[in-house]
Amino acid sequence: AQKVTQAQTEISVVEKEDVTLDCVYETRDTTYYLFWYKQPPSGELVFLIRRNSFDEQNEISGRYSWNFQKSTSSFNFTITASQVVDSAVYFCPLRLSGGSYIPTFGRGTSLIVHP
Amino acid sequence: GAGVSQSPRYKVAKRGQDVALRCDPISGHVSLFWYQQALGQGPEFLTYFQNEAQLDKSGLPSDRFFAERPEGSVSTLKIQRTQQEDSAVYLCASSSGQYNSPLHFGNGTRLTVT
Repeated sequence: AQKVTQAQTEISVVEKEDVTLDCVYETRDTTYYLFWYKQPPSGELVFLIRRNSFDEQNEISGRYSWNFQKSTSSFNFTITASQVVDSAVYFCPLRLSGGSYIPTFGRGTSLIVHP
Repeated sequence: GAGVSQSPRYKVAKRGQDVALRCDPISGHVSLFWYQQALGQGPEFLTYFQNEAQLDKSGLPSDRFFAERPEGSVSTLKIQRTQQEDSAVYLCASSSGQYNSPLHFGNGTRLTVT
């Protein structure tokens, strides 16, 4: 069975600090998909990025960057120069390409950015 | 808007009452998921539809929970004889049906059972 571990329950930073959210996954499948979602206090889960297991290219989008490493089964998310609006709970669900295709969520990491 | 719409946004029920939660997915999305999210936890899978077929209901916690999607569009999650432990946010998500497609979530329904 697949599993996602977000060991950081809560991270607190001051605005403009850089912060990295860790995500470690477990699966025996060779083809799978990883996602990052943001859940602000309003409650809606907002899709941020998708990564396929066969594509280890890292990605940068503005202040956001993602580092996918199959060797360590990790898909970490870095926010550069954090802002108060980044305060939210972040999730990195895993979805397989077959069998149990239901996206599996971890407990999430709560990021608090103080002004 | 064109996103996933859930109603009601908030629901308070007395223990023992039946409730019905509605989800209106993005038009054209064949896949529809229901998740339950307790306070401070990640979403937990309840059930999954592809069009009108309920392909997986392994996450439904008891036979008091029932979901349907009769015409392959709007879905309803029904909870009979609500219990206090049913208090949670119920999230609905839809996707285009491909495994690499992201799920698009609604705002959720916060159910409080008193």
